[in-house]
Amino acid sequence: GAVVSQHPSWVICKSGTSVKIECRSLDFQATTMFWYRQFPKQSLMLMATSNEGSKATYEQGVEKDKFLINHASLTLSTLTVTSAHPEDSSFYICSANGQNNQPQHFGDGTRLSIL
Amino acid sequence: QKEVEQNSGPLSVPEGAIASLNCTYSDRGSQSFFWYRQYSGKSPELIMFIYSNGDKEDGRFTAQLNKASQYVSLLIRDSQPSDSATYLCAAGVNDYKLSFGAGTTVTVRA
Repeated sequence: GAVVSQHPSWVICKSGTSVKIECRSLDFQATTMFWYRQFPKQSLMLMATSNEGSKATYEQGVEKDKFLINHASLTLSTLTVTSAHPEDSSFYICSANGQNNQPQHFGDGTRLSIL
Repeated sequence: QKEVEQNSGPLSVPEGAIASLNCTYSDRGSQSFFWYRQYSGKSPELIMFIYSNGDKEDGRFTAQLNKASQYVSLLIRDSQPSDSATYLCAAGVNDYKLSFGAGTTVTVRA
């Protein structure tokens, strides 16, 4: 089945640091990727939709200047959390849709802890 | 009103029993429906998807969709301790964006 790889799996860094998370589709071309955030004991909240070759579409309340998304190829999307603060600590998960209406498959997630 | 609603649980069932999970959605434009399983600390794993009214079976799992009632369910037969997890219901619209429910936590007692 479709495999989505996410890296890194765990990040601990100081407040003010910028953190980049990579999401790769390994065996298919992903025209669309999604970035989610999940706080403890809560459901997934969609942050943005990443489209290859165009600007990402952000959900209401998500700061596009803080969460930079780049989808430069059909197999890679990156999320950069700029000037991260403790309230940005969360579980960030990407997912990818292949072509032909295939269901979304998730990466393993990145647990971000800002000290 | 949340777009996708689930009973939060926890739902506790004995090993070998049937676990029944329910989900309702508010957007009548939703065309695709998914059940994901999420173990603690892990990312969601797709277990079932359904697009048409009726039942869809895959091994011990059966998804049921009733678009008129805006209702989706998941049955887990012969529940095993390894089925203990949080189950997320999701509804999709044309551009593949998914709205997730809060999840139902299932505990299978050995």
